[in-house]
Amino acid sequence: NAGVTQTPKFQVLKTGQSMTLQCAQDMNHEYMSWYRQDPGMGLRLIHYSVGAGITDQGEVPNGYNVSRSTTEDFPLRLLSAAPSQTSVYFCASSYRPGVGANVLTFGAGSRLTVL
Amino acid sequence: GQNIDQPTEMTATEGAIVQINCTYQTSGFNGLFWYQQHAGEAPTFLSYNVLDGLEEKGRFSSFLSRSKGYSYLLLKELQMKDSASYLCAVVDSNYQLIWGAGTKLIIKP
Repeated sequence: NAGVTQTPKFQVLKTGQSMTLQCAQDMNHEYMSWYRQDPGMGLRLIHYSVGAGITDQGEVPNGYNVSRSTTEDFPLRLLSAAPSQTSVYFCASSYRPGVGANVLTFGAGSRLTVL
Repeated sequence: GQNIDQPTEMTATEGAIVQINCTYQTSGFNGLFWYQQHAGEAPTFLSYNVLDGLEEKGRFSSFLSRSKGYSYLLLKELQMKDSASYLCAVVDSNYQLIWGAGTKLIIKP
C-alpha cells in the first residue's frame, strides 16, 4: 500500500517552461487535491477533484491545469512556469471532503524552483 | 476574509508540556484539524475536533471552543522527535480546509 505517490521530488525549471507534477493514490479515494506551501503562509489549495472527470479551482488556480481521467491519478500541469511558482507542492487525497474527520493523506511533496 | 492565527514559533524543554494556540475567523465551521509536519516532510494528521471540548490521544490533546473561535493543541512529556511544525486547519462552510501558517516548535534538551 503506497498511499499517495508524487513525482518528481525536485525540479528546476526556466521561466516559460512547462511541466507536469504527477500524483497517484492507491486508496480508492474520491477526493484529490493539490496544494502549494510557501514560507510563512498556510497551505493554499490550487485545484481539487471530487471524482474522476470532475475538477474545480481552489484559492490559487492561475497558471495551473489539472485533469482527473481515473480515480487514481491527478496530475498538475504548469503551463508556462514563472518565478512566483517556486514552491513546495503537495498532493493530498481523502475519501470525501467535509464528512466528519475526513483526514487528508499527503504525498511526500515536490520542490519546484523556477529560475 | 478568512483567517487562521497561530504563533510563528515556540520553544519548550524536553519532558515539559506546551500549548499551541489557534484562533480562527472563517465563513462557517465544520471542524478543525491539527497536523504535524517535520521539516522537509509532508503533513500528517494529529487530531480532529468538531464539538466543543477536549479530545485526548496519548500525549497529545486538542481543545475546541466554537463560540470563541479558538483551539489549542497540548503536547505532554515532550520528546525531541516532537520538534516540528504544527498546522491548524478549519473546514469552512464550503467544506474546504483553510490552513494556518503553522507553529514551529523547537524542543531543547
